[in-house]
Amino acid sequence: NAGVTQTPKFQVLKTGQSMTLQCAQDMNHEYMSWYRQDPGMGLRLIHYSVGAGITDQGEVPNGYNVSRSTTEDFPLRLLSAAPSQTSVYFCASSLYRDGSYEQYFGPGTRLTVT
Amino acid sequence: AQSVTQLDSQVPVFEEAPVELRCNYSSSVSVYLFWYVQYPNQGLQLLLKYLSGSTLVKGINGFEAEFNKSQTSFHLRKPSVHISDTAEYFCAVSVISGIKAAGNKLTFGGGTRVLVKP
Repeated sequence: NAGVTQTPKFQVLKTGQSMTLQCAQDMNHEYMSWYRQDPGMGLRLIHYSVGAGITDQGEVPNGYNVSRSTTEDFPLRLLSAAPSQTSVYFCASSLYRDGSYEQYFGPGTRLTVT
Repeated sequence: AQSVTQLDSQVPVFEEAPVELRCNYSSSVSVYLFWYVQYPNQGLQLLLKYLSGSTLVKGINGFEAEFNKSQTSFHLRKPSVHISDTAEYFCAVSVISGIKAAGNKLTFGGGTRVLVKP
C-alpha cells in the first residue's frame, strides 16, 4: 500500500491564484481530512469527509473548498490564494482500531503565497 | 471544546540522556489522548495513545506516556534518546465517540521540537 499520498510537495502561488492540492489513499478508509500546520499552532482541521459524497467544515474552512467523489480521493481547492494561506498542508485518512480512530497522515504540501 | 497545551516549544537534549515532553489538556467531556511524532520533512505518525485502563502507556521507539487525570496531563518520556529521535512531537486529544465526525476530530497542541545533540 502507498498509504496517503499528496501532490505537489511544494508550491508557490501569487495572491489571487487558485489551485488544487491532491490527496489520495489506497487503504479504503471512509474518513479523510485536511489540516494546516503553522508554527506554534499545531495542526488545525480545515475540512473533513466521513465518506464519498459527504463533506463538512472543520475549524478553519474559510478560503478552501473540498469534494469527495470517490473513497480514494479528497482534493483541497484554494479559491483565491492569500498570504495568510502560506502553510504546510496535511491530508489524513483514518481507521477504527483498538477502540479509537487512528489517523494516517500524508507527507504534506508546503505552500507559499506571495 | 477541548484545548491542548504543550509547555515547551523546544527541548534540547544530549544523546543517551532522558527526555520528558509535557502536555496538559482541558476538556468538559472525556477524551482519548495521543502523541504523534513528525520527523523532518515527513507527515505525522502515531507514537502512542491512551484510551483507558493503566495510566502508563508504552509506544513505539521506546517512548512511554503517563496519564494523570487529576492534573489533566499526558507527559511523554524516553529514558535514553538517540540522534534519530530529533523531531517535532505533538500531543492531541479527541472526544470519546463512535461517530466518525466526532471521534476523528483531533485537537493538537502547538508541538515540541526535540533536538538531540551528540
